[in-house]
Amino acid sequence: AQSVAQPEDQVNVAEGNPLTVKCTYSVSGNPYLFWYVQYPNRGLQFLLKYITGDNLVKGSYGFEAEFNKSQTSFHLKKPSALVSDSALYFCAVRDIRGNTPLVFGKGTRLSVIA
Amino acid sequence: AAGVIQSPRHLIKEKRETATLKCYPIPRHDTVYWYQQGPGQDPQFLISFYEKMQSDKGSIPDRFSAQQFSDYHSELNMSSLELGDSALYFCASSSQGQGGSPLHFGNGTRLTVT
Repeated sequence: AQSVAQPEDQVNVAEGNPLTVKCTYSVSGNPYLFWYVQYPNRGLQFLLKYITGDNLVKGSYGFEAEFNKSQTSFHLKKPSALVSDSALYFCAVRDIRGNTPLVFGKGTRLSVIA
Repeated sequence: AAGVIQSPRHLIKEKRETATLKCYPIPRHDTVYWYQQGPGQDPQFLISFYEKMQSDKGSIPDRFSAQQFSDYHSELNMSSLELGDSALYFCASSSQGQGGSPLHFGNGTRLTVT
């Protein structure tokens, strides 16, 4: 079975500072990993994914994430946070062995303070 | 670019009534997923369809059913509605033929059961 853990319900960061949103995962085989962002009353917007290859993945809006197989982590990062980055962030995983649906973490609310 | 279209955006029903939610996937996407997101919760997978056949089943109640039609649009039918069914219902689509293709989500239908 697949699962995702986002250990922080809330992350607060000052505008201009780097941000990290943590995610660890568990799958039987190799993972496909994703980050999504959700604004109030909106659907989930795809930010980035790790499929294979370079462990550092770059995505939309200046976000990036680093895949660490030994630590089964896929933390989301951004060098300089913007107030407009304030939203709910979900990490998700699927096993590459089948056409399985995405399993989401509980979400982390990011608040960027001006 | 065309996105996933869901209708209606908002729906208010009374207990024991029925509801039908519609989803129009991105053109040429062959897989549709339905997710339920309760207040302050992560999205929970309900059911998915690949090429009009049910491909996976999650935590979908027996009172709910879904199908994908020949034009690839999908409908989620919900009967004997309960207060606990109040949630955001998301549809997502992807192209399975592309392996790690991300799911693209619609803006959701907010169902309120009174």
